Amino acid sequence: QVQVVQSGAEVQKPGASVKVSCETSGYTFTDFYIHWVRQAPGQGLEWMGRINPNSGVTNYAQKFKDRVTMTRDTSISTAYMELARLKSDDTAVYFCARDLVYGDYYFGSWGQGTLITVSS
Amino acid sequence: IQLTQSPSSLSASVGDRVTITCRASQGISSYLAWYQQKPGKAPKLLIYAASTLQSGVPSRFSGSGSGTDFTLTISSLQPEDFATYYCQQLNSYPPTFGQGTRLEIK
Repeated sequence: QVQVVQSGAEVQKPGASVKVSCETSGYTFTDFYIHWVRQAPGQGLEWMGRINPNSGVTNYAQKFKDRVTMTRDTSISTAYMELARLKSDDTAVYFCARDLVYGDYYFGSWGQGTLITVSS
Repeated sequence: IQLTQSPSSLSASVGDRVTITCRASQGISSYLAWYQQKPGKAPKLLIYAASTLQSGVPSRFSGSGSGTDFTLTISSLQPEDFATYYCQQLNSYPPTFGQGTRLEIK
């Protein structure tokens, strides 16, 4: 079955960058988009962007456009999200999720989440 | 597009019938999903296309609505249903979520 496993929690200083990985299995990696959604402590869900693993084409939410980079390595069925110039309010759990059907924005399978703490 | 869920929190008992509402700031046809999230866990897709039950989700969950007003109904609450529920629209870019409804045990 579909499995999505993310990298572990990290603590980063303000101004630094962080790169989170999202390893998938149980399906053809290039057949579905991977999305990134974050959740600040005690808050709701916020979509950050998506990557087409087949082409590498990305779509980013305007809020993150200048700081986020999504990439993938098809040889190991893994997607990555890098967020630069971290601020304290970037402290959140970051989730990757696979779309339910190619190209839609229903998030059918999720990783377990990666807590990123930004603190000096 | 802004999604407003009501209520923000709700107390109910096992066996109760519960309805959560999601209102969109403009029409989104049927491009709406519902997710369940338990503490420390990732969200789980329950309903998509406003009323289609995701595979493996119990039939006590149902969704309805189109345009701007949507509902998620749990016909008979079970202990494992106490969680936070989010609606999400995908009619307009970027996809957005409601603020969540926390369902607690009475």
